[in-house]
Amino acid sequence: GESVGLHLPTLSVQEGDNSIINCAYSNSASDYFIWYKQESGKGPQFIIDIRSNMDKRQGQRVTVLLNKTVKHLSLQIAATQPGDSAVYFCAESPLSGSARQLTFGSGTQLTVLP
Amino acid sequence: GAGVSQSPSNKVTEKGKDVELRCDPISGHTALYWYRQRLGQGLEFLIYFQGNSAPDKSGLPSDRFSAERTGESVSTLTIQRTQQEDSAVYLCASSLLADSPLHFGNGTRLTVT
Repeated sequence: GESVGLHLPTLSVQEGDNSIINCAYSNSASDYFIWYKQESGKGPQFIIDIRSNMDKRQGQRVTVLLNKTVKHLSLQIAATQPGDSAVYFCAESPLSGSARQLTFGSGTQLTVLP
Repeated sequence: GAGVSQSPSNKVTEKGKDVELRCDPISGHTALYWYRQRLGQGLEFLIYFQGNSAPDKSGLPSDRFSAERTGESVSTLTIQRTQQEDSAVYLCASSLLADSPLHFGNGTRLTVT
C-alpha cells in the first residue's frame, strides 16, 4: 500500500517557541488525516484531525494545515511546553473517518529544550 | 471512566514459546483494533473487530498470530512459537463506532529472547 512519511525524524525546539512537524503522504485518495502524540511508554493519544475538504483546523495550541496539492500535512504547536516532548505521528485514511484503513507514519521525536 | 487496559505491560519470553496478550476496551466501544509497533517505527495494523461481524484479519503477519474477542468485551492476541522478530510493542485500541476516533492502551512490550 501507499505510505505516509515524515520529513524529519527529530525536532528540538526551545520552550516557548512554536513547533512545526511535517508529514508527506502519497495516496491521492487520502481523505482523512489525524495527528497523534505518543509519550514514552504510553499509547498514542489523539491530538487533532482534519478532512480533505478543509485546509486548516485549529485546536487548543495546535493547528493542522493540509495542502492537498503537494500532499503535505503539518502540525503546529504554539508556545511549546516541556510536556509536549513526545513522538508525533500523522496518519491518513482513504475514507472519511475510517479508522480501520488508517496508515501511520514513522513519527517525529519532538524534544523541548529548557 | 477507565481507558483501554492492556496486560501484561511487559512480557519477556523465550523463542518458540506461545504468548497471550490481553486487551480490555472501553466499555461500550464496538470496534477493537490490534497494532504492532516496532522500535522507532509507526503502527502496523494487525486485526480489527467490529461488533458481531467477522474480524478483519488482513494485517496478521503469519498464521502464528491469532486473536479473539468475546462479544464487545475483552480481546486476546495470541502469538504461537514466538520468534525474535516478534519483539515489539503490541497496542490495542477501541472506538465507539467504526468511524470514531481511536483510544489506545499503553501497549504490551514483548521481548523474545
